[in-house]
Amino acid sequence: GAGVSQSPSNKVTEKGKDVELRCDPISGHTALYWYRQSLGQGLEFLIYFQGNSAPDKSGLPSDRFSAERTGGSVSTLTIQRTQQEDSAVYLCASSSPGAGETQYFGPGTRLLVL
Amino acid sequence: GNSVTQMEGPVTLSEEAFLTINCTYTATGYPSLFWYVQYPGEGLQLLLKATKADDKGSNKGFEATYRKETTSFHLEKGSVQVSDSAVYFCARGQFGNEKLTFGTGTRLTIIP
Repeated sequence: GAGVSQSPSNKVTEKGKDVELRCDPISGHTALYWYRQSLGQGLEFLIYFQGNSAPDKSGLPSDRFSAERTGGSVSTLTIQRTQQEDSAVYLCASSSPGAGETQYFGPGTRLLVL
Repeated sequence: GNSVTQMEGPVTLSEEAFLTINCTYTATGYPSLFWYVQYPGEGLQLLLKATKADDKGSNKGFEATYRKETTSFHLEKGSVQVSDSAVYFCARGQFGNEKLTFGTGTRLTIIP
């Protein structure tokens, strides 16, 4: 595809349920990022994958959050036992490796935890 | 730590007015600097960037200059249009993995 795609575009879930969010990066981009955009916290970094290196998980807010990247391409962000404060737009971005490279963002997944 | 301080919004201007949105960053190393824009109902997209001191990024009539001495990357446009109404985010990269640290965003509304 031409850009970063994410699915689902919207997700409504009940508190305590697990959710999986998917990101398809731009073909050939080895760097992949997850961010979260919420009213109270603005845009914040969650996790970063670069090639086969160990991911930078320093932005994950709790151990309920995890992410995988299979085959260096598609990534899945999983939130276990969702809480209402997890409600936000989850954004995925990809880029070529290197300083100053532009990150291209997907449309996001809007998560609402009831 | 790394941080970005961005002019608080919202900002409302008349069409053809001059725009400045201030942005400063913490001076940890020599980060790449970016302005991203989010138009209503759309995703984040890069507006412009600069990767070293004194570089000027420009796009769609917007400009920003990487000022190392003042640790700033202010966004300017000489004559705004209604179509520029959006939320603007200043961001810095982090050498080594380039995860972005964003400012709080500035909502800009241009009235005809």
